[in-house]
Amino acid sequence: EVQLLESGGGLVQPGGSLRLSCAASRSTFDGYAMSWVRQAPGKGLEWVSVISGSGGDTYYLDSVKGRFTISRDNSKNTLYLQMDSLRADDTAVYYCARSPSGFAASFDPWGQGTLVTVSS
Amino acid sequence: EIVLTQSPATLSLSPGERATLSCRASQSVSSYLVWYQQKPGQAPRRLIYDASNRATGIPARFSGSGSGTDFTLTISSLEPEDFAVYYCQQRSNWPLTFGGGTKVEIK
Repeated sequence: EVQLLESGGGLVQPGGSLRLSCAASRSTFDGYAMSWVRQAPGKGLEWVSVISGSGGDTYYLDSVKGRFTISRDNSKNTLYLQMDSLRADDTAVYYCARSPSGFAASFDPWGQGTLVTVSS
Repeated sequence: EIVLTQSPATLSLSPGERATLSCRASQSVSSYLVWYQQKPGQAPRRLIYDASNRATGIPARFSGSGSGTDFTLTISSLEPEDFAVYYCQQRSNWPLTFGGGTKVEIK
């Protein structure tokens, strides 16, 4: 069974940076597109970014473009999200999720999430 | 951006009853519509993909239908574990977007 485990969340001041990681349990990570999806406290789901299986293609939500960078290390079965110039409205639980059927796909499975709080 | 509107916002039903949830898209998404279930404190779980295909391990009481702009998730007979929030998501256009959710609560 594929499992995903996020880490790296925490409290950061506005304008600060954080790097999230998502470790996959086994090498089925390789070859699959992977996404980050976030959920602000008490709110709905919002897709943030996706990276192709090779890492060569990426897409971003407009509101994070230029501030967030998605990447992956297939040798370590790990997905990353570098978040810079953080704002209060970036506060959310960040989930990593696998896209089982291509780049623009659904999400299955999901990790348990890591909370990012942007506040002074 | 494709906007997905879910209705109703809250559905109050009893165990054993049938639940019908709606998701309407602001423009056609063909059949590229996905349904998720989320329970408090948990990550979402994919139920239905491409409008009508049940994901692995999902009970047969969950079914999806629709195409174009109008979609429905039906739970034929509610079990106690089905009381949760349900989201739809489109994968037809960038950015990928979700609906605002329907909460199915115990009446």
